[in-house]
Amino acid sequence: QKEVEQNSGPLSVPEGAIASLNCTYSDRGSQSFFWYRQYSGKSPELIMFIYSNGDKEDGRFTAQLNKASQYVSLLIRDSQPSDSATYLCAVHNNNDMRFGAGTRLTVKP
Amino acid sequence: EAQVTQNPRYLITVTGKKLTVTCSQNMNHEYMSWYRQDPGLGLRQIYYSMNVEVTDKGDVPEGYKVSRKEKRNFPLILESPSPNQTSLYFCASSPQAGTYLGQFFGPGTRLTVL
Repeated sequence: QKEVEQNSGPLSVPEGAIASLNCTYSDRGSQSFFWYRQYSGKSPELIMFIYSNGDKEDGRFTAQLNKASQYVSLLIRDSQPSDSATYLCAVHNNNDMRFGAGTRLTVKP
Repeated sequence: EAQVTQNPRYLITVTGKKLTVTCSQNMNHEYMSWYRQDPGLGLRQIYYSMNVEVTDKGDVPEGYKVSRKEKRNFPLILESPSPNQTSLYFCASSPQAGTYLGQFFGPGTRLTVL
């Protein structure tokens, strides 16, 4: 069974801090990795894509991938209350797309 | 406006009464998929389609059917709904599977089966 695991949280950080979200996956053949943000009552929206080992930065967001450890993470710098949402990790292999259950992040003013 | 639309947005029905949830995208995407989202379980893929007339099962296909007769439409059919199909359903599309663009999600359909 191919699994994508995330800590469900809730993860609470103060405004301005770094939020660190983690995801592990079981399928070694996984090819590409995504982070989606989902506000309460809304649909998921893509915030980061990464496919090679290392770091990828986009504004306040940094995705980190380590295929040997089957681990992908998302760092949010200078966290804002508007970052409060559930963050979904997704893993793609061929035509198969699997999501983790999500980590709920709360950023407190 | 580029979008994925779903109808209806909310539906309450009874066990055994056939229903269809429609999904349409206006971005000429080849790949479309259906997910259900349940608390603590995240998004689980029901069916996906690589292109017209090409569909395949995801993780949880039991009790569902799909068709892809046109590129833009990908309806989800529940022939005989049961209470365990009460869930939040999302349709999504992307240019191809796994593209860096990710998937574009519809607004969701909240289904309750009594």
